[in-house]
Amino acid sequence: DAGVTQSPTHLIKTRGQQVTLRCSPISGHKSVSWYQQVLGQGPQFIFQYYEKEERGRGNFPDRFSARQFPNYSSELNVNALLLGDSALYLCASSPGTGWNSPLHFGNGTRLTVT
Amino acid sequence: AQSVTQPDIHITVSEGASLELRCNYSYGATPYLFWYVQSPGQGLQLLLKYFSGDTLVQGIKGFEAEFKRSQSSFNLRKPSVHWSDAAEYFCAVGFSGGADGLTFGKGTHLIIQP
Repeated sequence: DAGVTQSPTHLIKTRGQQVTLRCSPISGHKSVSWYQQVLGQGPQFIFQYYEKEERGRGNFPDRFSARQFPNYSSELNVNALLLGDSALYLCASSPGTGWNSPLHFGNGTRLTVT
Repeated sequence: AQSVTQPDIHITVSEGASLELRCNYSYGATPYLFWYVQSPGQGLQLLLKYFSGDTLVQGIKGFEAEFKRSQSSFNLRKPSVHWSDAAEYFCAVGFSGGADGLTFGKGTHLIIQP
């Protein structure tokens, strides 16, 4: 079975630009979460979506937004990019929202902002 | 606010030796506890989890972890490490409902000496 797939794998953007990252969950998984992992740190929670609705949001500015589509895939958008947005962005999926359904992570999108 | 502490940034262990990675959390109730492993350029793979019941949990790849409520700890152990265990290890906690995402520690980088 295919795991969580993310695209693109690498991305280079300039400060002030906008970026869209994509995630396809494991088949049958209805929940998608996004995490930001800055180099040398643990992942930090950005969003959780379930059944196309936002269920949770971490401590990130409004420049970060996301959505989930009817096929449960998801996009993360970041506007007005800052140098500090350079990070590995991880998508994770799970069947539901509770922790009895642990997260399955993709390999991430490496975003570099210059 | 909840927090997770992994006091060891780097640990070096000889191949075949035993391993213990430390994790402490700060939270008013018993959280859901997880250990993840991340190889270079990869996403996170779940090693094991603790929700309730037996405080010693077994995971994949020969890892185990013990929950100690009195110490707010969830340390990861392996009796004999292999060179392929070299990676970054993250302890994480989740809270009831799951909408706030996982809170990760900063990780412990495991180096295996031949």
